[in-house]
Amino acid sequence: AQKVTQAQTEISVVEKEDVTLDCVYETRDTTYYLFWYKQPPSGELVFLIRRNSFDEQNEISGRYSWNFQKSTSSFNFTITASQVVDSAVYFCALSEWDSGNTPLVFGKGTRLSVIA
Amino acid sequence: NAGVTQTPKFRVLKTGQSMTLLCAQDMNHEYMYWYRQDPGMGLRLIHYSVGEGTTAKGEVPDGYNVSRLKKQNFLLGLESAAPSQTSVYFCASSQDRDQPQHFGDGTRLSIL
Repeated sequence: AQKVTQAQTEISVVEKEDVTLDCVYETRDTTYYLFWYKQPPSGELVFLIRRNSFDEQNEISGRYSWNFQKSTSSFNFTITASQVVDSAVYFCALSEWDSGNTPLVFGKGTRLSVIA
Repeated sequence: NAGVTQTPKFRVLKTGQSMTLLCAQDMNHEYMYWYRQDPGMGLRLIHYSVGEGTTAKGEVPDGYNVSRLKKQNFLLGLESAAPSQTSVYFCASSQDRDQPQHFGDGTRLSIL
């Protein structure tokens, strides 16, 4: 069964520090998709990135970057020069394609607090 | 752009009461989902639908029923509410299983 583990329950950093949020997943499928979502204190869920299992290229979007490594089944998220507005709960999620299992399984989330 | 709209935003029920949560999306998405979010548990899928007239069970379906009579609407029902169903409920939609899900703002439900 598919599974997503976010081992870091809570992280606290000082503004301008870099921070990496870890995500480890388990799947037997060859084709699958990985996602990151952000949930700020206001409560809504915001989509950040989608990555398919065949594309291991790292991605950078402004201060955000993602490192996908199939060899370690990880899809880590790094925020460079963190800001107070980055304070949120971040969820990693997995969608298996081949087996047709539950559409999306979420990790339990990592709460990031950025202190000014 | 409305996206995904959930009604109501807050509700307090007594144990044993019934209610229906409504989710509406205006993106013509095929897939719709209901999740519950509890502290420390992330989001857990209750039920989902892959198209009008279809529904399927997710990870935590017990105590809930759903219906999707129209493509744009997905209803979540609690027939006999229990305190264990106190949670924040999120509805989401996507064009396909591999596409990003768009979420509503959530419904905070308290059952006394």
